[in-house]
Amino acid sequence: QVQLVESGGGLVKPGGSLRLSCAASGFSFSDYYMSWIRQAPGKGLEWISHISSTGSNVYYADSVTGRFTISRDNAKNSLFLQMNDLRAEDTAVYFCARVGTLFGFDFWGQGTVVTVSS
Amino acid sequence: EVVLTQSPGTLSLSPGERATLSCRASQSVSSIYLAWYQQKPGQAPRLLIYGASRRATGIPDRFSGSGSGTDFTLTISRLEPEDFAVYYCQQYGNSPLYTFGQGTKLEIK
Repeated sequence: QVQLVESGGGLVKPGGSLRLSCAASGFSFSDYYMSWIRQAPGKGLEWISHISSTGSNVYYADSVTGRFTISRDNAKNSLFLQMNDLRAEDTAVYFCARVGTLFGFDFWGQGTVVTVSS
Repeated sequence: EVVLTQSPGTLSLSPGERATLSCRASQSVSSIYLAWYQQKPGQAPRLLIYGASRRATGIPDRFSGSGSGTDFTLTISRLEPEDFAVYYCQQYGNSPLYTFGQGTKLEIK
């Protein structure tokens, strides 16, 4: 069955960096677009980044452009999010999600918590 | 930038009743790229509807989606106790690449 497992979250000071990972299994990872979506405490969902199946095309929300970098390693069935210059407003649960038919997110990980605080 | 506005913010209904949730876009979106999700506390969202009206795998037929242009609707025909949750609409294709609505909380009356 499809599984997405995020890791790498934690507590970081403002201005710091974190690298999130998402391990995929149960499907042909290299055939699918992937995205990162976050949810601040008590808030709604915010899409932040998308990567094509080969990694050649990437997109970002304005809120993270220039600070976050999405990447993937298809040989290792893994998705990554490098987060630099973190701010308090980046505090959230970060989900990786598979982009399915007609660009709905058909499978989600359980999320990893990122807290940015001094 | 496309903004999705969901209404109502909170909907209070009883099991067995019909729920109608609205998602309005600030500009026309392609209906084939409109999806709905259900999220329960402490869980990841679950895809319910994609392409505005297509049920995702394993989703009961009491869930249905409709709409086009700027107005979309998620209908739950007869509420079951497990349906009380937060629901989000989402679009793909206009800047930003994906947008979510702010959510509708469906609570037990």
